[in-house]
Amino acid sequence: AQKVTQAQTEISVVEKEDVTLDCVYETRDTTYYLFWYKQPPSGELVFLIRRNSFDEQNEISGRYSWNFQKSTSSFNFTITASQVVDSAVYFCALSEAPGMNRDDKIIFGKGTRLHILP
Amino acid sequence: GAVVSQHPSRVICKSGTSVKIECRSLDFQATTMFWYRQFPKQSLMLMATSNEGSKATYEQGVEKDKFLINHASLTLSTLTVTSAHPEDSSFYICSARDDWEGERVDEQYFGPGTRLTVT
Repeated sequence: AQKVTQAQTEISVVEKEDVTLDCVYETRDTTYYLFWYKQPPSGELVFLIRRNSFDEQNEISGRYSWNFQKSTSSFNFTITASQVVDSAVYFCALSEAPGMNRDDKIIFGKGTRLHILP
Repeated sequence: GAVVSQHPSRVICKSGTSVKIECRSLDFQATTMFWYRQFPKQSLMLMATSNEGSKATYEQGVEKDKFLINHASLTLSTLTVTSAHPEDSSFYICSARDDWEGERVDEQYFGPGTRLTVT
C-alpha cells in the first residue's frame, strides 16, 4: 500500500529563516512520482514539483529546493529566506507511474501548515 | 499550464437536497478525472476515479449512491451529492488527467475546488 507521512503538522518560523518540510513515503512500486503542492488560504492547490522515482537529482527553483533520497524514502522540501507569502499548507504526495492499468491516483500526506511570521 | 474549472465555487444547500458540482478541463481532453474531498484542516482524500463513458471507481468507504459521478464527455465530469446532510459539508476538489499521449505527459491538473455547506 502507498502512504505518505508528513510528521510536521504545523511549523512557525520568522521571516527570512530557512525551513524544511519533511516527507517520507512508502510504496512497493519501483516506478512512481512524488509531488509537492501548496494550498494557500484560498484553497486552490498550487503545483510545485513532480519528481520521477528514477530521477534522484536534487532540484532548485528560486528559493525552493527539494532533496529526494530513495535510500530513506524521503522527499524533503526547503524554503530558503522564507517570506510571509509562503504561509500555506504544503502537501507531499505520491502516485504510481501510469502504466497498463493507469492507476495513477495521487495519495496525499496530511499536510504541514507553515506560518511565516513577520 | 492546463486549466481545470469547477462550478460552482461555493454552494449552500439545505439538508435533504441534492447538489451538482461540475469539473471541466478547459483546453485538453481528460478521459480520467478524480474527485477529492477535504475536510477543514485535513488532507485531500480521494473519493472516486471518474472514467469517460464508463462507471466511476469509488474508494473504499465512499457511498456510490450518495455521490453520483457522471463523466459524459472528455471535458466534463459531474459529482452530485444526493440527499445532502451537514456532515457532507466539505471542500470538493477535482483533478483531470491530460490524455495527450504524444509525450506521455500524464499530468494531472487540479480544479480550484468547490466549498459545499449543507445547512
